[in-house]
Amino acid sequence: AQSVTQLGSHVSVSEGALVLLRCNYSSSVPPYLFWYVQYPNQGLQLLLKYTTGATLVKGINGFEAEFKKSETSFHLTKPSAHMSDAAEFFCAVSVRGNNRLAFGKGNQVVVIP
Amino acid sequence: DADVTQTPRNRITKTGKRIMLECSQTKGHDRMYWYRQDPGLGLRLIYYSFDVKDINKGEISDGYSVSRQAQAKFSLSLESAIPNQTALYFCATSDSGTGWAGELFFGEGSRLTVL
Repeated sequence: AQSVTQLGSHVSVSEGALVLLRCNYSSSVPPYLFWYVQYPNQGLQLLLKYTTGATLVKGINGFEAEFKKSETSFHLTKPSAHMSDAAEFFCAVSVRGNNRLAFGKGNQVVVIP
Repeated sequence: DADVTQTPRNRITKTGKRIMLECSQTKGHDRMYWYRQDPGLGLRLIYYSFDVKDINKGEISDGYSVSRQAQAKFSLSLESAIPNQTALYFCATSDSGTGWAGELFFGEGSRLTVL
């Protein structure tokens, strides 16, 4: 079964600094990969996804992620953190034909002024 | 109004009580899901339904049951609540036309505390 690993439950980043959240996946077939964001007291919303094609995917609010098959990774980045980026971020994976979307354990991002 | 609405948003109950969490959606999606969120554990799938007559267990279905009353309504029941079912519960929907490459749309969550 497919799965994702997110290391570091809490991530602190200074305002204006690079945001980097790591996600590694495990799948024996080509995966679909997602990043979801959960702002305080809200449900999750899709940030970006990779299905096929271009491996560098751009999402909302200046975030992007790159699918690297050789590294089984889908790391999320944003060049310059903003206070509004304080949220919990979840990586998720699914594959064609498998009725499952498996979520990672999440990264709680704290932005330091 | 939200596209995916969950009620109640907050509930405190006692061990052994029956609890129902309700979800309704106006997105016209055929697929609906119930997830549970616990700190440090991410989201785990409890049940999912691909249409009114289709109900499937997820990874942690024990102690839960569901009912898909209509395409737009999907409820989650705890027949006899226990403290380790204290969690934040999310309903989500998706469109079968997008398959598993598609986006899930989440409600705002129902926070359940079992004393």
